[in-house]
Amino acid sequence: DAGVIQSPRHEVTEMGQEVTLRCKPISGHDYLFWYRQTMMRGLELLIYFNNNVPIDDSGMPEDRFSAKMPNASFSTLKIQPSEPRDSAVYFCASRRTGGLETQYFGPGTRLLVL
Amino acid sequence: RKEVEQDPGPFNVPEGATVAFNCTYSNSASQSFFWYRQDCRKEPKLLMSVYSSGNEDGRFTAQLNRASQYISLLIRDSKLSDSATYLCVVTGGSYIPTFGRGTSLIVHP
Repeated sequence: DAGVIQSPRHEVTEMGQEVTLRCKPISGHDYLFWYRQTMMRGLELLIYFNNNVPIDDSGMPEDRFSAKMPNASFSTLKIQPSEPRDSAVYFCASRRTGGLETQYFGPGTRLLVL
Repeated sequence: RKEVEQDPGPFNVPEGATVAFNCTYSNSASQSFFWYRQDCRKEPKLLMSVYSSGNEDGRFTAQLNRASQYISLLIRDSKLSDSATYLCVVTGGSYIPTFGRGTSLIVHP
């Protein structure tokens, strides 16, 4: 079974541009999580979905960030406009209810905003 | 106080050494506990769950102390391949995890 898939793996963009990160969770998993990791803050939970519905977005830094999950196999995290302080590694993770709460992470998207 | 705290290290140990990491958590209602491992420039992966009675998986032993609100990870006979960052993870009633910042381990020849 394929793991969590994220794209792109690397993104370099200029300040002010729109950035869209994509995630395909493991088939059958009903929870999807978006995290951001930096040296300063570690791994931060941004938002999570259950059965495609956003449950808690309190970790989203500000209105420039938005996330959607139009179906069970796809989610996006969008930053518009991007700023240099958004530079980080963004991870998507999924798990299924009753699955010993184990989260499976994707390989991450390394974002650099110049 | 941060919800989950870890000593960032790095812990620098020779091959064959025994090394232990601790992690403290602030929410006394926390339900589940885990250790994840993250290699350089890779994603976190589950290393092991932590059970109240303590549990062992080969060279790795995890323990939980609910009264003092800390969990520990002991690695015996360290290997070069154990070099990584070890993340402490705590979940509450909603089973949504909170990650510690991680403890860096470097095992040298």
